[in-house]
Amino acid sequence: SQQGEEDPQALSIQEGENATMNCSYKTSINNLQWYRQNSGRGLVHLILIRSNEREKHSGRLRVTLDTSKKSSSLLITASRAADTASYFCATDARGAQKLVFGQGTRLTINP
Amino acid sequence: GAVVSQHPSWVICKSGTSVKIECRSLDFQATTMFWYRQFPKQSLMLMATSNEGSKATYEQGVEKDKFLINHASLTLSTLTVTSAHPEDSSFYICSARVKTPLATDTQYFGPGTRLTVL
Repeated sequence: SQQGEEDPQALSIQEGENATMNCSYKTSINNLQWYRQNSGRGLVHLILIRSNEREKHSGRLRVTLDTSKKSSSLLITASRAADTASYFCATDARGAQKLVFGQGTRLTINP
Repeated sequence: GAVVSQHPSWVICKSGTSVKIECRSLDFQATTMFWYRQFPKQSLMLMATSNEGSKATYEQGVEKDKFLINHASLTLSTLTVTSAHPEDSSFYICSARVKTPLATDTQYFGPGTRLTVL
């Protein structure tokens, strides 16, 4: 069963603006990962944040993790049209040996 | 980086036929591979976990006799959809896990296979 919930389900912003997506989960985790998926394509791994980390950066991406609230956020700064895609969080739960994906956020960047 | 391939990338078949999808890790050995299914505008749902040389572990609600998984080597896992029906039409994605020196498992995803059953 899916344990991750993401919000918003869909987000539409203007190019250049920042986009923030949130993910909540239910159990203790080893790490949380964010992926991007363009329509009809495979997944692209964006960033992994471990349970003992609170924030991580990669280029225009910033991920935060709050294990006390069991939540994470993905911030994309200075968005571009090419960022249009679906974004999924996935949790690597302790003892589970598998990833469980959230419902995803469909992000649309308008030129 | 590690590359995972899937073949075919898309397949159209008639109802009642069986379809085999291959997942290969091209430049690394994967002790564990995962199979996911994704319906349009939905998330990935884990179907089964496949360990080399042993039987696959299926998620609740996934029929093991319908979705046959074989993980014969450290670089190849296959998913066979038996007696496919239109409701099996979906996007099937595999991933392969490799152990890293930091002991943080990393999964690499294949590009997916689009199955359409007529």
